[in-house]
Amino acid sequence: EPEVTQTPSHQVTQMGQEVILRCVPISNHLYFYWYRQILGQKVEFLVSFYNNEISEKSEIFDDQFSVERPDGSNFTLKIRSTKLEDSAMYFCASSPSKGITGELFFGEGSRLTVL
Amino acid sequence: QQQVKQSPQSLIVQKGGIPIINCAYENTAFDYFPWYQQFPGKGPALLIAIRPDVSEKKEGRFTISFNKSAKQFSLHIMDSQPGDSATYFCAASDGGAQKLVFGQGTRLTINP
Repeated sequence: EPEVTQTPSHQVTQMGQEVILRCVPISNHLYFYWYRQILGQKVEFLVSFYNNEISEKSEIFDDQFSVERPDGSNFTLKIRSTKLEDSAMYFCASSPSKGITGELFFGEGSRLTVL
Repeated sequence: QQQVKQSPQSLIVQKGGIPIINCAYENTAFDYFPWYQQFPGKGPALLIAIRPDVSEKKEGRFTISFNKSAKQFSLHIMDSQPGDSATYFCAASDGGAQKLVFGQGTRLTINP
């Protein structure tokens, strides 16, 4: 069964460092997303991406964050200068549908720990 | 307006019981209401979803009940099993938005 894969599974970084989280969405999907989940809290939307551009972003997704689809298969989330509060599980998701229908397929997540 | 409120935060049920998880929303533009199941260390996985033109949807042992006038929806798990122990999230979206709004999650434990 096709799945969304994410790397790394866990990254530990020092505050102020740049981090790149990588995702390979399901191959025929058109919409890509990043969500995050702070430990014990709800899953929160960060950004959606379609046709090589951001289609929507949340208040959390400030200038420190960026996304890119560099080569037609990978989808990356970059945090330029990490803060302690960026520590969370980051989930990549993809969807085959035009517009959100709830049919998101999530990866297993990348746990980011900022020290 | 964008919030989805979920209760309870945690729930313990004996095997064979029927856990019920409730969600409420304010945004009348929401038109899609999925439930996600999350096991420890895994990403959320779509369990079942409903649109507001129906009041109930069943898939196997999982049922969503939807009350449009009250702006509430709930998940029922029939004949619950220990393998159903997980965190359950309700969510909502509107067709024009590119995002899901999640509830706080319910940690469900089914005791053998």
